Amino acid sequence: GQQLNQSPQSMFIQEGEDVSMNCTSSSIFNTWLWYKQEPGEGPVLLIALYKAGELTSNGRLTAQFGITRKDSFLNISASIPSDVGIYFCAGVYNFNKFYFGSGTKLNVKP
Amino acid sequence: DTEVTQTPKHLVMGMTNKKSLKCEQHMGHRAMYWYKQKAKKPPELMFVYSYEKLSINESVPSRFSPECPNSSLLNLHLHALQPEDSALYLCASAGTTNTDTQYFGPGTRLTVL
Repeated sequence: GQQLNQSPQSMFIQEGEDVSMNCTSSSIFNTWLWYKQEPGEGPVLLIALYKAGELTSNGRLTAQFGITRKDSFLNISASIPSDVGIYFCAGVYNFNKFYFGSGTKLNVKP
Repeated sequence: DTEVTQTPKHLVMGMTNKKSLKCEQHMGHRAMYWYKQKAKKPPELMFVYSYEKLSINESVPSRFSPECPNSSLLNLHLHALQPEDSALYLCASAGTTNTDTQYFGPGTRLTVL
C-alpha cells in the first residue's frame, strides 16, 4: 500500500504559538484531506484540497496541496487549548482508497 | 448535512456473542467504508462498498461480515470475536467523483471480553 510520512509525530506548544505539520509520499495523489480526531470520537474533516498548488483556509487553519502532488502541509495559527487532538492527513487517488498518515498529536499548554 | 451516524456508541460483548454495528448517511454518497482503529494509530481500512457492492475486503477475518442493505445503510456483523478485536470501529462515506471527500461517523467503541 501507499506510505504517507507525517511529521512531527507529536508537538508540545504554548497557547498562542503557530503550528505546522506535513505529509509526504512517494506517490501522487489527486486529493489531500486533513482531519482532527479527539479521544473516543471519529475524525472530523478540517480541510479538503483538490488541485496541485491549492492553498485553502478554514479559520485559523491553512493547508496547501504541494505542487508535485506528493505532499501537503497544515498550519494552525495562534493555537488555543481546544486545538488539542490528533491530526491526520489522508491522500486520495480514487474514491476507493484513502491513505492515512500516522498522525500528529498536538498538545497545547494554556 | 455532512453527518454519518453510527450505533451503538459503545458495545461490550463476549467471544461467543453475535452483534451488529450500524451506520447511516443521507448525503447521497455511493461509497461506504468500515475502518478499525486502535489507540493512537490511524484508521485501518477493512471494507469498501461501492454502489452497494463490496469492492474491497482488506483480508479481514470472516468473523467480521459486512452488509450494505441500501445506499444509505452499512452494517458490520460480528461473531466469535477475539479480545484483540477490541477497538474503535469507524464508518465513513464518500462521493464517487473527483472531489473525493470522506466523512466519518463518531465510531463504535467495541470491547471484547
